[in-house]
Amino acid sequence: KNQVEQSPQSLIILEGKNCTLQCNYTVSPFSNLRWYKQDTGRGPVSLTIMTFSENTKSNGRYTATLDADTKQSSLHITASQLSDSASYICVVSNYQLIWGAGTKLIIKP
Amino acid sequence: KAGVTQTPRYLIKTRGQQVTLSCSPISGHRSVSWYQQTPGQGLQFLFEYFSETQRNKGNFPGRFSGRQFSNSRSEMNVSTLELGDSALYLCASGIGWGTGELFFGEGSRLTVL
Repeated sequence: KNQVEQSPQSLIILEGKNCTLQCNYTVSPFSNLRWYKQDTGRGPVSLTIMTFSENTKSNGRYTATLDADTKQSSLHITASQLSDSASYICVVSNYQLIWGAGTKLIIKP
Repeated sequence: KAGVTQTPRYLIKTRGQQVTLSCSPISGHRSVSWYQQTPGQGLQFLFEYFSETQRNKGNFPGRFSGRQFSNSRSEMNVSTLELGDSALYLCASGIGWGTGELFFGEGSRLTVL
């Protein structure tokens, strides 16, 4: 069964600290993997899209990694800011989009 | 370039009523997808339209329907509303259909009393 699992379910860190969110998938075949940021009550915004051949992709303080062999991805946030408080959703694409449940990140001052 | 526009942003209905939500995609985009998001849940795919044709459909009852017009604008309709239909309904537009990049609107928050 095609599934995307994210961990942790929620995370609280202090402003300025780094954090890493995990995404494991069992989707096959694989087309691409995306990370979205969703602020509470708003639509998701794309952070990165990674294809099979890409291991690392950065977008400002966000860096996504992909290990297609182990079917794992991570999203690393550097020097967190209060505005990073949001849900982060991992989505894997084959013939359709398989959505993870998201990690809710809270940044405390 | 204007983003994806969804209307209305908020609405309250009672059980048994029906509701119509509207989505205007980014200019030039021909694909519109609809998602339901309930509190604490991930996005659940409803359906996708491309060039006025439904290309994909999620696992939702027939009370949920949609359509797309020649200008790519889309509407979704939910009939005989149930309490469990209370959710944030998100629309996403894309250039092509299937698994291309998606651009989301701000959503329509539906509350069913």
